This record gives sequence, structure tokens and C-alpha cells, in this order.
Amino acid sequence: QLQLQESGPGLVKPSETLSLTCTVSGGSISSSAYYWGWVRQPPGKGLEWIGSIFYSGTTYYNPSLKSRVTISVDTSKNQFSLKLSSVTAADTAVYYCARCDFWSGYFFDYWGQGTLVTVSS
Amino acid sequence: QSALTQPASVSGSPGQSITISCTGTSSDVGAYNYVSWYQQHPGRAPKLLIYDVSNRPSGVSNRFSGSKSGNTASLTISGLQAEDEADYYCSSYTSSIQEFGGGTKLTVL
Repeated sequence: QLQLQESGPGLVKPSETLSLTCTVSGGSISSSAYYWGWVRQPPGKGLEWIGSIFYSGTTYYNPSLKSRVTISVDTSKNQFSLKLSSVTAADTAVYYCARCDFWSGYFFDYWGQGTLVTVSS
Repeated sequence: QSALTQPASVSGSPGQSITISCTGTSSDVGAYNYVSWYQQHPGRAPKLLIYDVSNRPSGVSNRFSGSKSGNTASLTISGLQAEDEADYYCSSYTSSIQEFGGGTKLTVL
């Protein structure tokens, strides 16, 4: 059974860079049928797609966040990572990593449990 | 402001059917059959309910069904049960971008 697990600091100071890693187990991140993505959810609000990456390193970003986001992949560790720079309180959210099946369509079929990141001094 | 428009809330009694709409544009919902729906209970990760407009993943109840007409997709839940009370989100693909709706809170009366 595929599992995804987010890890990283739960507290980040304003203007600094948020960094999270997603570890994939039970399957290979190097599959040609999937993208690997990040989705966030501010407290009490809806879901927002941040971006996705293919195992080759090809990336796609939400235009509203593109200037601050970097997603990378480490196939040797079966991990992919998110960096969000110049954070503000508006970036406080639960951050989910998820697998995107683009072979059958475009949908997130496996999700991590999510990790809360709070931006505060 | 979300790219896809959903009603903020819907409600229904046990056993009834409800429908949640998801309105986009001719560039997303209307252009691709890549609409998906997710169920999210409080404090939990979203769960895939429907993909490619009307397909159910293995293990999802056949009480959940999806459809699309023009720029609007719909999720129908039949035979409402108490456990269906949750937030529901639609999503659509457009030009290498994933969009989500603002979410709909379903209350089972």
C-alpha cells in the first residue's frame, strides 16, 4: 500500500523559507504514470494546489505562488520536497503531499496525513 | 477566491439524495474530462471519491456518482448517511494546472 509522509518544521518565522519533505513508501517515485504534488489548506479554508513534479524533475506551479515556490525530487531517497520563500502569516496552513495520477486522468489518489505549518515570530 | 465555484453548504436528511455543483469555465471544466471530487472529514486528509468526471475508485460506494454538463460538474450522493457529513471539493485540470473549488459543507440533518 502506497504511503506518503510529510516532515519538516511546524513553525517558521515571517520572511523565512518554509521547507517540507514528503517520503514515499510502498512504491517508487520514479514511475512514469504519476506526478507528485503539494496541496495546502489554511485553517478553516479550502484546498489550494501549490505545484507538482515528475520524477525527471519537470515541475508545474500554481501561478499565484510560482515566484516563491520550488519543488524538487530525490529519486534515490524516494522523496520530493517543497520550499516556499518569503513566508507570511497567510502561508499558515496544513500542507499535504499527494500522488497525482495523470495516466488515467488528472487526480490525487493518495495523500499524506498533512502537517501544520505556522508562520509566526 | 477559488477558480471553481461550489455552494458553501448543502443539507439533506438520511436516505435522501443531494447534488453538489462545481462551476468552472470553457478552459477547465468545459475543456477536459478531468474533474475529480474529494471528501474530507474534519482533521483528515482529503479522500478521492470520483475521477475523470464519473469514475469511482475501487472501494468507494456506488452511492457517489459524478457527471458534467458544459462548464458545470456535479456530485450526487444518494441514500444519504450520517457518515457522509463532511466537506466536499471538486478539482479540475487545465493547462498543466490543478484547480480546486472552494468546498461544500454537507450537513446530514
